[in-house]
Amino acid sequence: DAKTTQPNSMESNEEEPVHLPCNHSTISGTDYIHWYRQLPSQGPEYVIHGLTSNVNNRMASLAIAEDRKSSTLILHRATLRDAAVYYCILRDIYAGGTSYGKLTFGQGTILTVHP
Amino acid sequence: EAGVTQFPSHSVIEKGQTVTLRCDPISGHDNLYWYRRVMGKEIKFLLHFVKESKQDESGMPNNRFLAERTGGTYSTLKVQPAELEDSGVYFCASSPPRTSAKETQYFGPGTRLLVL
Repeated sequence: DAKTTQPNSMESNEEEPVHLPCNHSTISGTDYIHWYRQLPSQGPEYVIHGLTSNVNNRMASLAIAEDRKSSTLILHRATLRDAAVYYCILRDIYAGGTSYGKLTFGQGTILTVHP
Repeated sequence: EAGVTQFPSHSVIEKGQTVTLRCDPISGHDNLYWYRRVMGKEIKFLLHFVKESKQDESGMPNNRFLAERTGGTYSTLKVQPAELEDSGVYFCASSPPRTSAKETQYFGPGTRLLVL
């Protein structure tokens, strides 16, 4: 899987939008961009994924650069419950065989939300 | 619908002892994964079952780790004998049939293992 780069940490205030960046300059045309997050003392949970177009769901929005070398996870109104480690992960749709089942986690971004 | 469950939530054992971790995936999920995070490190993949078959065990650290999934339902991960460096959090995840890069994995809360 291609490598991703994220800031180690970010801070936000409650009720404000948060933009979490991810660089993936070596992304291939068949890589999906996935975001997971890990709340304290819990397992990771899926947030959102996309390929080329921007995506929205009830949790967040994903903005993908036109060249796909970077993406941004957007939390429109941060709450204290959004404090977590956010992971940006690439997965190749054509990896096939034994290689694309697993998720490859990086260090992620620790998001702190202030009341 | 019940999520992925793991047992025990915590385990403290002495070096040299044996520990068995259990994971119950979401009903109907053919894919089951084991991951772990050791202290200060990233979450790392251990292995992937499709039903009862090991699809990918490239992340298993050594032969002290044995994973099974008899009958394609729950899975166990046994560490024998446990070493200090095995301490960490062990996560299990499951996903529906037809693994693909769009697939979502559902994680359990993890088992926190401490080897003294």
